[in-house]
Amino acid sequence: NAGVMQNPRHLVRRRGQEARLRCSPMKGHSHVYWYRQLPEEGLKFMVYLQKENIIDESGMPKERFSAEFPKEGPSILRIQQVVRGDSAAYFCASSPRGSDVQSSTDTQYFGPGTRLTVL
Amino acid sequence: AQSVTQPDIHITVSEGASLELRCNYSYGATPYLFWYVQSPGQGLQLLLKYFSGDTLVQGIKGFEAEFKRSQSSFNLRKPSVHWSDAAEYFCASTSGTYKYIFGTGTRLKVLA
Repeated sequence: NAGVMQNPRHLVRRRGQEARLRCSPMKGHSHVYWYRQLPEEGLKFMVYLQKENIIDESGMPKERFSAEFPKEGPSILRIQQVVRGDSAAYFCASSPRGSDVQSSTDTQYFGPGTRLTVL
Repeated sequence: AQSVTQPDIHITVSEGASLELRCNYSYGATPYLFWYVQSPGQGLQLLLKYFSGDTLVQGIKGFEAEFKRSQSSFNLRKPSVHWSDAAEYFCASTSGTYKYIFGTGTRLKVLA
């Protein structure tokens, strides 16, 4: 039973390039969450997606960042024209259901993260 | 605003010694609380969670945590640490939504 998969695990980009981070949720999970961990900080919520829908992107920067979770394939977090401040670890999590955390089936399960370095 | 504090950035213990990792939360009502562990190169693995009921929660790998409302704490404990427990530990909370709030993590080193 594979867990949440993320690739690449490490990504190096030069300023101005694009970064694409991929996340495959656990089997049977249709809810995906992206978090960012800046150096010396805790993980911070960015966006919540269901298949083909963005439910909540309140934690995502308004410019250069976008996310999708298509009907087929992994969820993609896309960062255009990267800057040095985008260097961070980006974690993806998935759950079978969404907003109700009172059930154990709603707990979020995390992937290993993608470490983005912008030169 | 809701927040989670892990006061200890690094902790070093000897193998076989007991362990306590501190976590304090800031939230008016009773939050939902979690402890995750991240081994090098791995994802965050859920150790245990508290939703309601018994304030002493048992988790995997011999870990337990106690919810103390009076101290706004949810400290993680293990009576005897193994070398394989060396990792980074994250405390997280939520008010009941999908937006988990994480602490900055505590990195545990275990001496042989």
